Amino acid sequence: DVVMTQSPLSLLVTLGQPASISCRSSQSLVHRDGNTYLLWFHQRPGQSPRRLIYKVSNRDPGVPDRFSGSGSGTDFTLNISGVEAEDVGVYYCMQGTHWHPWTFGQGTKVEIK
Amino acid sequence: QVQLVESGGGVVQPGTSLRLSCTASGFAFSSFGMHWVRQAPGKGLEWVALIWYDGSDKYYGDSVKGRFAISRDNSKNTVYLQMDNLKAEDTAMYYCTRDLFSDVLYFDLWGRGTLVTVSS
Repeated sequence: DVVMTQSPLSLLVTLGQPASISCRSSQSLVHRDGNTYLLWFHQRPGQSPRRLIYKVSNRDPGVPDRFSGSGSGTDFTLNISGVEAEDVGVYYCMQGTHWHPWTFGQGTKVEIK
Repeated sequence: QVQLVESGGGVVQPGTSLRLSCTASGFAFSSFGMHWVRQAPGKGLEWVALIWYDGSDKYYGDSVKGRFAISRDNSKNTVYLQMDNLKAEDTAMYYCTRDLFSDVLYFDLWGRGTLVTVSS
């Protein structure tokens, strides 16, 4: 199974300041079709997960451009250029390259100082 | 409206069974694979099961293999999760999510979840 490791697990950020979350996989996430199926999700308290980013760096419709994803191979990063109050919650990375099981990172909790 | 709605959760005793349902609307359900993903209270996300768009293939996580069964009825736009021999560690919010096996439409739509509590 592919193990996804996120860091940090908790982040305390000042409003307007940048934030960065790392996600590392135990195997390369480059699929034989050439794509890298690395997703990022955001989950607010009491809500279901919402996909933010697919294929490493593609933002979903409606996702603010302060969110950006980058990386390749086994190392990936989610950046928030300036954290807003609505960004609190838990962020998860997930790999969709190596099937069954699909695996998630442990989650990174983002809170405002 | 494009949505997924889960139902069927509840409080059950260890060793008993429960069947969850996830009903889709607003999109071509029969073209999509469907996953169940669960989240224990205060914990992270765990993939549970996948069923192919036509029901021809099914996959399970190791923690539920042999106890859970995923199925679907495309005429009802519904995917099911039959959960047998439930254990305390199966206590979780259960979400369904879709997968077109394309490079865009996978895990992009989630339901609100249905809560399963296994307790004596």
